[in-house]
Amino acid sequence: AQSVTQLGSHVSVSEGALVLLRCNYSSSVPPYLFWYVQYPNQGLQLLLKYTSAATLVKGINGFEAEFKKSETSFHLTKPSAHMSDAAEYFCAVSELGGADGLTFGKGTHLIIQP
Amino acid sequence: KAGVTQTPRYLIKTRGQQVTLSCSPISGHRSVSWYQQTPGQGLQFLFEYFSETQRNKGNFPGRFSGRQFSNSRSEMNVSTLELGDSALYLCASSLGQGFVDTQYFGPGTRLTVL
Repeated sequence: AQSVTQLGSHVSVSEGALVLLRCNYSSSVPPYLFWYVQYPNQGLQLLLKYTSAATLVKGINGFEAEFKKSETSFHLTKPSAHMSDAAEYFCAVSELGGADGLTFGKGTHLIIQP
Repeated sequence: KAGVTQTPRYLIKTRGQQVTLSCSPISGHRSVSWYQQTPGQGLQFLFEYFSETQRNKGNFPGRFSGRQFSNSRSEMNVSTLELGDSALYLCASSLGQGFVDTQYFGPGTRLTVL
């Protein structure tokens, strides 16, 4: 069975500061890992994904994430926060074949302080 | 290229009724997945369809069902509605089955059960 834990339901950072959103996963087989962003009243948009290639994954809007197998983590970072980054962020895991579907974390609401 | 469309966007039903939601994938995409999003349970995987066949299913009761047509459009049906079925229902489409290919999400259908 697979699961995802996102530490911190709310994270607040100042504009221009580093963004760090934490995600830990549990999977019985090598996982595929994803970060999605959801703006109010909209669907989800894929930021980046890890599918067993490079462990450092670069995504859209300046975000990146590093897969660390020893720590079972896939934290999302961005060097400099922008006001437009304020949104809900979801980490998700899937296994090859997707028999258990895509399992999402509870989400982290990112607040950007001016 | 048009994105994923979901109809209707908003729906109000009463307990005991049934409801059908529709999802039109991006042209050329053959996989459609459905998700339920609620404040309490977060995002949960319902099922995935590929080439008119259900490939994967989440942990939901049999009241939740779906189907996919030859043009890849998909419908989701919920029978005997309960108050707890009130949620945002999201569908996503991708080129292939499983979850390695990027999933593109629609804006969702907001279902309210009274």
